[in-house]
Amino acid sequence: EAGVVQSPRYKIIEKKQPVAFWCNPISGHNTLYWYLQNLGQGPELLIRYENEEAVDDSQLPKDRFSAERLKGVDSTLKIQPAELGDSAVYLCASSLGGVAEAFFGQGTRLTVV
Amino acid sequence: RKEVEQDPGPFNVPEGATVAFNCTYSNSASQSFFWYRQDCRKEPKLLMSVYSSGNEDGRFTAQLNRASQYISLLIRDSKLSDSATYLCVVNQRAGSYQLTFGKGTKLSVIP
Repeated sequence: EAGVVQSPRYKIIEKKQPVAFWCNPISGHNTLYWYLQNLGQGPELLIRYENEEAVDDSQLPKDRFSAERLKGVDSTLKIQPAELGDSAVYLCASSLGGVAEAFFGQGTRLTVV
Repeated sequence: RKEVEQDPGPFNVPEGATVAFNCTYSNSASQSFFWYRQDCRKEPKLLMSVYSSGNEDGRFTAQLNRASQYISLLIRDSKLSDSATYLCVVNQRAGSYQLTFGKGTKLSVIP
């Protein structure tokens, strides 16, 4: 069974440029998470979806970050414009439900220069 | 107070040693608990779920104490391949349920 797939794996952009990340969750998983992880820290939740509905986006910096999960399957996370402090690993995860364990994709390592 | 707290380590132990990691959580309404393992520059991977009765998987034993809001992970007979960061994860209700991660405890098993 295919796991969570993310792309791209790596992205280098100049500050003030836009960037987008894509995630395809495990088939049948209705819950999808986007996390941000800085070096030496645990993952921090940005947004959580139940099907196509964003049920928790309180940690998403809405002035520059946006996300969507059309049709309740694939999801994209966008940053516009990117800032130097956005350099981090962006992890997507999916699960069968809110209390179930989550499975992670390999992440997108973003470097803003 | 952080929602999920772990000792960041690092823990440097010789092969064959027994090592224990502890984790505390602040939300008494938490429903489920996990330990994840994360290798350098890799994604977190589920190591084991943690149940109230305690559970064991080979050399790994997890314990949960709801009264004290405390979770532990015990690794016996440490192997070099156990070197990684171990993340304590709590699924807690904050409006809706969300997985909250500790900062992780780094383990290095030394030959």
